[in-house]
Amino acid sequence: EVLLVQSGPEVRKPGESLRISCKGFGDSFTSHWIAWVRQMPGKGLEWMGNIYPGDSESRYRPSLQGQVTISVDKSIYTAYLQWSSLKASDTAIYYCARQGSNWGILDSWGQGTLVTVSS
Amino acid sequence: QSALTQPASVSGSPGQSITISCTGTSSDVGRYNYVSWYQQHPGKVPKLMIYDVSNRPSGVSNRFTGSKSGNTASLTISGLQAEDEADYYCCSYTGSTTYVLFGGGTKLTVL
Repeated sequence: EVLLVQSGPEVRKPGESLRISCKGFGDSFTSHWIAWVRQMPGKGLEWMGNIYPGDSESRYRPSLQGQVTISVDKSIYTAYLQWSSLKASDTAIYYCARQGSNWGILDSWGQGTLVTVSS
Repeated sequence: QSALTQPASVSGSPGQSITISCTGTSSDVGRYNYVSWYQQHPGKVPKLMIYDVSNRPSGVSNRFTGSKSGNTASLTISGLQAEDEADYYCCSYTGSTTYVLFGGGTKLTVL
């Protein structure tokens, strides 16, 4: 079991950059893929991509490739989701979640980070 | 790849049973037994309810059961309770460059 704690809500203007974080507590953080899941206002869940803290290997949903960057600092058990130029359409709640024995399992979730992009 | 297909809403009375379907393709739901289901109450974090088609994590009520036939997975909730009212999402591994797909979500109303 791992506890995932995310950084707090953010408000940015279009074109600004942002990095949000997901810190893991527990000894399994580096041995499981960590995914990022987006939930736009009033909408469903969308898998964005993931990263393996052990070697920083990452994968992205094709439509998001180049739009965001997923990274990790395994020395402090923290994964990140980063934007270089935010758009209003990036407004959403972003969850990190641990992927289990197969990628269809998201068994521990962070509390979510609300990102609001507005001029 | 598009999202998996779920009904937008289902409803049932306390004590009844309901089933939520999740239709994919032969590249995702039909190919892998890696289907999971999540419950999300308003303003809350999603919770894993079923994994690998039909397995329940520790602590999840046995009123929740999962199954699969062909390209369609299903979540059945028996003995409906008021606390079951929530949004439910299915999820499947795809094995393609999309990797993981969610369904559009189903709003369960307990009448």
